[in-house]
Amino acid sequence: QKEVEQDPGPLSVPEGAIVSLNCTYSNSAFQYFMWYRQYSRKGPELLMYTYSSGNKEDGRFTAQVDKSSKYISLFIRDSQPSDSATYLCAMSVDDYKLSFGAGTTVTVRA
Amino acid sequence: ETGVTQTPRHLVMGMTNKKSLKCEQHLGHNAMYWYKQSAKKPLELMFVYNFKEQTENNSVPSRFSPECPNSSHLFLHLHTLQPEDSALYLCASSPGQGGQETQYFGPGTRLLVL
Repeated sequence: QKEVEQDPGPLSVPEGAIVSLNCTYSNSAFQYFMWYRQYSRKGPELLMYTYSSGNKEDGRFTAQVDKSSKYISLFIRDSQPSDSATYLCAMSVDDYKLSFGAGTTVTVRA
Repeated sequence: ETGVTQTPRHLVMGMTNKKSLKCEQHLGHNAMYWYKQSAKKPLELMFVYNFKEQTENNSVPSRFSPECPNSSHLFLHLHTLQPEDSALYLCASSPGQGGQETQYFGPGTRLLVL
C-alpha cells in the first residue's frame, strides 16, 4: 500500500466550476499537510499548509484535513483557466521529510 | 536572482558520463533537499541537508553523490547513470530552524540518460 494515494486524473472542468481534489494516507503520525501546485516546466509551489485537522481557507482555495479518516481535500471555487496545473498533496510527521501523492492534473476549460 | 535556481535546466548524458547538477537558494535558508520526479509517480525525496550536514539519504544508489559546501549551494554529482534515472530533479530549501518548514522548490533539471 502506498503511503499517500492520489488519483492522477486527468480532471477537466469548465471555467467557474468547483474543483475537488483529495488524497488518502496510511501513516497516522502525519500531522503537517500541504497542497502544492505545479505548472508545466516549473517546480511545485506551496498553495496551502495545514497543521493537524480542520479547515483552512485562502481566497478561492479551501483545504480540509480529516485525520480520523486519513483523508485530505482541496477545493477550488470559481475555477479559472489559470488554475490548470498539476496539484500535489504532501504530508509529513516532522515537517521536514515530505511524502507526496502522485499529483492530479487539472484542466479548466474556458 | 531570487528564490531557488537550478542549472542546467536540461541535460542529456550517456551512461558513462559524469555530470553535476547545481542548486542555489537566495532565501537565507539552512535546509536543502534533492527530489526525483518521474512521470505519474510521487516526488521521491533523495537527500536532505540541514546546516550543511546530511541528515537524510533515502536509500539512493551511490551513482548519485550530493555535496553541500554551504547553506546556499547544493550539488548532485552524477556518474554511470542508467536510463531509468531519466527524470526531473528538483531542489528545494526551507528555513531549517524548526516551526513551519515550508519548502520552496526550484524549476528542476530535466535529465535524459541515453
